[in-house]
Amino acid sequence: GAVVSQHPSRVICKSGTSVKIECRSLDFQATTMFWYRQFPKKSLMLMATSNEGSKATYEQGVEKDKFLINHASLTLSTLTVTSAHPEDSSFYICSASRLAGGRAYNEQFFGPGTRLTVL
Amino acid sequence: GIQVEQSPPDLILQEGANSTLRCNFSDSVNNLQWFHQNPWGQLINLFYIPSGTKQNGRLSATTVATERYSLLYISSSQTTDSGVYFCAVGMSTSGTYKYIFGTGTRLKVLA
Repeated sequence: GAVVSQHPSRVICKSGTSVKIECRSLDFQATTMFWYRQFPKKSLMLMATSNEGSKATYEQGVEKDKFLINHASLTLSTLTVTSAHPEDSSFYICSASRLAGGRAYNEQFFGPGTRLTVL
Repeated sequence: GIQVEQSPPDLILQEGANSTLRCNFSDSVNNLQWFHQNPWGQLINLFYIPSGTKQNGRLSATTVATERYSLLYISSSQTTDSGVYFCAVGMSTSGTYKYIFGTGTRLKVLA
C-alpha cells in the first residue's frame, strides 16, 4: 500500500511554455500533498504544501504565480510551471501524506519524480 | 527556520562493513523519517521514527528527540545500499504541517 504516482516522468519543453505535472495517491486518500524541487547532488527543497479544497501554502521565495498548485481531490494534486524558462529545469517530486494506524502524525510517501528540461 | 544537518556528507564502504549515519536538527519536531534515494531518484521509505528505536533487517534507526538527533545504522552493507540517505523532520508551523529535509549522506558501497 501507499503508492504515489507522478506523471510525466520526463518532459522537455521550449522556453515560454507551461508544463503540468500530476501527482496521484493510488491506494489511499492523502490528507496533504507536498511538492519538492531537487537540484543535482542537492537535497530536496520544499516548494509548497497543499490540502484538498484549499489554497496551497508556499514556502518563502517560491513564486505562487510561477508554480501553480491545484489540489482538486484527496488523490490528485497538480503542479503547473507557467512560462517555463531554462532556470526552471529541475527534478520535481511530490509526496502524499496520510495518518497510518497508531501514529500521531502523518507519514509521507513519494512519487517517482518528474525531470523537467526547459530549452 | 529549523536546520537539519546530516553527517557524514559522503561515505565509501567496502561491502560487508557497518556504518552509522547521523541527523541533527535544531528545533523540536513532531516526527522524523529516513529515506533512501536510489540512482533513479525514487525515495524509498526506511523508517518513520519520531522517537525510540526500530529495526528492519540490516537497518535500524534510533531517534532521541530530547537531544534532537537520529541515527541510522546499516550493517553488513551491500552494493545495493549505495545511494543517498535523507532524514526529514515533520513539524507544525503557523497551522501548516510540513517536512524539512536534511542535507543528505551519499553512500557508495564497493564490491
